[in-house]
Amino acid sequence: DAGITQSPRHKVTETGTPVTLRCHQTENHRYMYWYRQDPGHGLRLIHYSYGVKDTDKGEVSDGYSVSRSKTEDFLLTLESATSSQTSVYFCAISPDRASSYEQYFGPGTRLTVT
Amino acid sequence: AQKVTQAQTEISVVEKEDVTLDCVYETRDTTYYLFWYKQPPSGELVFLIRRNSFDEQNEISGRYSWNFQKSTSSFNFTITASQVVDSAVYFCALKDNNDMRFGAGTRLTVKP
Repeated sequence: DAGITQSPRHKVTETGTPVTLRCHQTENHRYMYWYRQDPGHGLRLIHYSYGVKDTDKGEVSDGYSVSRSKTEDFLLTLESATSSQTSVYFCAISPDRASSYEQYFGPGTRLTVT
Repeated sequence: AQKVTQAQTEISVVEKEDVTLDCVYETRDTTYYLFWYKQPPSGELVFLIRRNSFDEQNEISGRYSWNFQKSTSSFNFTITASQVVDSAVYFCALKDNNDMRFGAGTRLTVKP
């Protein structure tokens, strides 16, 4: 199994509060991704990183920011959580963004915004 | 446009039946990869297979087989002699020159 951990695994927070989710990898992969999973939508890309301090937006980036200060850590921040951000969040890694590389996923974080 | 369609939202079968999960994709790129992932009830996402656009050979791995047909833009997944442990949500995904795009998933329930 790829060495990917996510923390916390579960979180309940109130609308308007800031939330940070952490993804940690031990594979030294260059690329890291944040997805959200919602019924009927599969997984949708929020942001991804292609190196330390190098990040880019995905399909559903509004309301989210990310940071990567070390190769092994990729943080996802909800500056002011809303109920529409209730979801399961997955981190993924890959050695390269090229088509030929599959992505390996962390265990997920279930976030509930009340 | 980049799109992945899994038209079957839910499938229910009885153990030992064969079942096929459909996946239809759209892309403008000539080079692309297709993937299948499994998400069991425990929630993790497990990589099953990767197939590139230049290799239309079908692949078999134990009870699992995949049929890739560029003519119909489909990459279907068949489980032979299904088992209760096959119960999961299965996602098809496409990776071309854009970000990876996932289908909405098919929930497979295998009843004993």
